[in-house]
Amino acid sequence: AQRVTQPEKLLSVFKGAPVELKCNYSYSGSPELFWYVQYSRQRLQLLLRHISRESIKGFTADLNKGETSFHLKKPFAQEEDSAMYYCALSGNGANSKLTFGKGITLSVRP
Amino acid sequence: EAGVVQSPRYKIIEKKQPVAFWCNPISGHNTLYWYRQNLGQGPELLIRYENEEAVDDSQLPKDRFSAERLKGVDSTLKIQPAELGDSAVYLCASSPRAGFYEQYFGPGTRLTVT
Repeated sequence: AQRVTQPEKLLSVFKGAPVELKCNYSYSGSPELFWYVQYSRQRLQLLLRHISRESIKGFTADLNKGETSFHLKKPFAQEEDSAMYYCALSGNGANSKLTFGKGITLSVRP
Repeated sequence: EAGVVQSPRYKIIEKKQPVAFWCNPISGHNTLYWYRQNLGQGPELLIRYENEEAVDDSQLPKDRFSAERLKGVDSTLKIQPAELGDSAVYLCASSPRAGFYEQYFGPGTRLTVT
């Protein structure tokens, strides 16, 4: 079985502060991990994925297989980062499904 | 490009009534997904189509839910009869094919069952 845990429901920070959104997963093989984001009044969209190893909008996420974590980080939060963030996991192969965590609301105050 | 299109955006029905949701995926995307998102939760997969074939419907409550994807393009998800617990946002997504591809989501249909 595959599972994604986002232990916090809300993170509130001031503009310019560092951000870390936690994500832990459970999967017996080698998963692919994603972060999806939903801004206010917009649809759910991909922010970044482990396999790409990119930094998107200043966000990065490192897969730590030892700790089974894929935390999302940004050194200096901006007000426009305020949104709902979901960590998601896909197992191996074409028949795998995407499993989402419960999500966390990031609020960046001016 | 309009992206994934869903209709209606909102639906309010009484329990025991039927309801249907429609989805038009991004042109050329072979894989189509239906998710249900309950309040305070992440999306949960109900069914996945590869072209017109349902390849994963293990999470679909088949006693009251049905889906179809005729001609491998548009898809319809139906609930009959609806129950109070079916109140949720129903999301449609598509991707070029299955696997580690990005899924593109529609705006969702918010269903309220009274």
